[in-house]
Amino acid sequence: NAGVTQTPKFQVLKTGQSMTLQCAQDMNHEYMSWYRQDPGMGLRLIHYSVGAGITDQGEVPNGYNVSRSTTEDFPLRLLSAAPSQTSVYFCASTPYAWDSYEQYFGPGTRLTVT
Amino acid sequence: AQKITQTQPGMFVQEKEAVTLDCTYDTSDPSYGLFWYKQPSSGEMIFLIYQGSYDQQNATEGRYSLNFQKARKSANLVISASQLGDSAMYFCAMREGNNAGNMLTFGGGTRLMVKP
Repeated sequence: NAGVTQTPKFQVLKTGQSMTLQCAQDMNHEYMSWYRQDPGMGLRLIHYSVGAGITDQGEVPNGYNVSRSTTEDFPLRLLSAAPSQTSVYFCASTPYAWDSYEQYFGPGTRLTVT
Repeated sequence: AQKITQTQPGMFVQEKEAVTLDCTYDTSDPSYGLFWYKQPSSGEMIFLIYQGSYDQQNATEGRYSLNFQKARKSANLVISASQLGDSAMYFCAMREGNNAGNMLTFGGGTRLMVKP
């Protein structure tokens, strides 16, 4: 049971490039989400999904796309990278239940856009 | 308005002493949950403790306890008998009851430094 995995761990992009951050979980969790953490700050929600085929925007969705074709995977796409997207990106999952409260976080992807 | 406020950017505590990290929150939803996470220098998010808005007693997990004062909308984390390994960033977060997907709103964090 690997939990929540993210690849890559580190990435450097040039302005204007696109890329996909991968996230997978093997716990059969319905809910998955992407957060970003800028230096010295807390996490902010980018996009989330309540099940396969269903996604919605969070607090800071601009410049990112997501899709959820399977329960296990929830990739985050940067369409045209900008220096303002330099951040650490965390993927998280949680079961569908009010009393299953813990978010299981992946190890994070550190992205630098030059 | 900020939903989660952590007013202490950084704190020092002497090893073996207790420390309180402050967190205030803002919500009009009667059903919500409050969380504390630890983020060491390695970067991972480690879940510490949870308090539900309807819980009658303050949550405790080992050396961690949550001082929940509902009327004041505060959810302070108390760490007893601090250890060097407690040096890290600490984040308070909230999940509101009308929130599809169990999403969290985070505060800005407090950096705790434990002195030997």
